[in-house]
Amino acid sequence: AQSVTQLDSQVPVFEEAPVELRCNYSSSVSVYLFWYVQYPNQGLQLLLKYLSGSTLVKGINGFEAEFNKSQTSFHLRKPSVHISDTAEYFCAVTFSGGYNKLIFGAGTRLAVHP
Amino acid sequence: NAGVTQTPKFQVLKTGQSMTLQCAQDMNHEYMSWYRQDPGMGLRLIHYSVGAGITDQGEVPNGYNVSRSTTEDFPLRLLSAAPSQTSVYFCASRGKTAMNRETQYFGPGTRLLVL
Repeated sequence: AQSVTQLDSQVPVFEEAPVELRCNYSSSVSVYLFWYVQYPNQGLQLLLKYLSGSTLVKGINGFEAEFNKSQTSFHLRKPSVHISDTAEYFCAVTFSGGYNKLIFGAGTRLAVHP
Repeated sequence: NAGVTQTPKFQVLKTGQSMTLQCAQDMNHEYMSWYRQDPGMGLRLIHYSVGAGITDQGEVPNGYNVSRSTTEDFPLRLLSAAPSQTSVYFCASRGKTAMNRETQYFGPGTRLLVL
């Protein structure tokens, strides 16, 4: 069975500092990986996704993530965060052919402080 | 395109009441799904549909019914609301972007409180 673990429930960081939000998954088959962002009182917005090809994926708002198959990880990074990046971030996985069944992690709340 | 729309935005129910959460998309997407979001648990799939007339259960289907009579609409019905169904509900549809890439679009959510 597939599962997703987001290792940090909350990540506090100062503005302009770098940040990494960690995500590990378990699956016995090939996977597709996603990061979504949810701003307060809003729906989810896709940040980036890995389907195949280059393991370094660039997304919107300056975020990027690296797919590491040997470590079954898909950590999200940004070199310099802004106050406006304060939100909850969700890692999700599905397997090829099963795109409808996205499995989400519990979420990581990123709090950017001035 | 309006994208994925959900109504109502907020709802308060008493235990045992029934109601329908509406979801519509105007992107002609075949695939639609319903999730619930609870603190510390991320999003969990309730039901999904791969096209009009076809639905299937997700991870947490108990207490919910769905139907898909048209491509555009995918309503979620609570037959007899329970406090455990207090949650935020998201509808999503999947289709291809202008760049011919598959992506999933989420609605703004419906916040449900069951007393």
